[in-house]
Amino acid sequence: ILNVEQSPQSLHVQEGDSTNFTCSFPSSNFYALHWYRWETAKSPEALFVMTLNGDEKKKGRISATLNTKEGYSYLYIKGSQPEDSATYLCASWMDSSYKLIFGSGTRLLVRP
Amino acid sequence: AAGVIQSPRHLIKEKRETATLKCYPIPRHDTVYWYQQGPGQDPQFLISFYEKMQSDKGSIPDRFSAQQFSDYHSELNMSSLELGDSALYFCASSLVLGGTGELFFGEGSRLTVL
Repeated sequence: ILNVEQSPQSLHVQEGDSTNFTCSFPSSNFYALHWYRWETAKSPEALFVMTLNGDEKKKGRISATLNTKEGYSYLYIKGSQPEDSATYLCASWMDSSYKLIFGSGTRLLVRP
Repeated sequence: AAGVIQSPRHLIKEKRETATLKCYPIPRHDTVYWYQQGPGQDPQFLISFYEKMQSDKGSIPDRFSAQQFSDYHSELNMSSLELGDSALYFCASSLVLGGTGELFFGEGSRLTVL
């Protein structure tokens, strides 16, 4: 069974705090790692797609790193804002399958 | 640019009725995913299709079925509806691109079961 795990399951931070959470995935047969941001009652949107070990991507205050050898990715949010409140999903694509395997998400709540 | 289109946007049904949701992926996308998000809950993966064949199955009840047609649109059929089926149902499409194709999501179909 191939599992993508995210931690923590939920996270409450104060506005202005920086935060990070983890996505763990099987390192064997890895091909790509996706991050999505899903606000309640809105369409999820893609944040990053990463494939290379050591890769780091950034979009505004959000950045992500990838370690394919040990099978994890970190998502960082610098100076969290209330509008960052959402569920952050990661998903792994294994080269032996035709599907994205999603984690259960990290629900972030940023308090003003 | 064309996006993922879902219909209907809102649907109200009675318990034990049947509902069908439709998803029209972005043209030339080869993969469709269905997700369910209940009130205050995390999104749950239901099912996915690649090139009109089911590629993965998640927490989809036996009362639900789905298929992808020759024109690549997909339909999610839900029978014997229960109150707990009330949720926002999202469809997403992508190009596989060897796993690097990002998912594009529709605006969702909100199902209310009374």
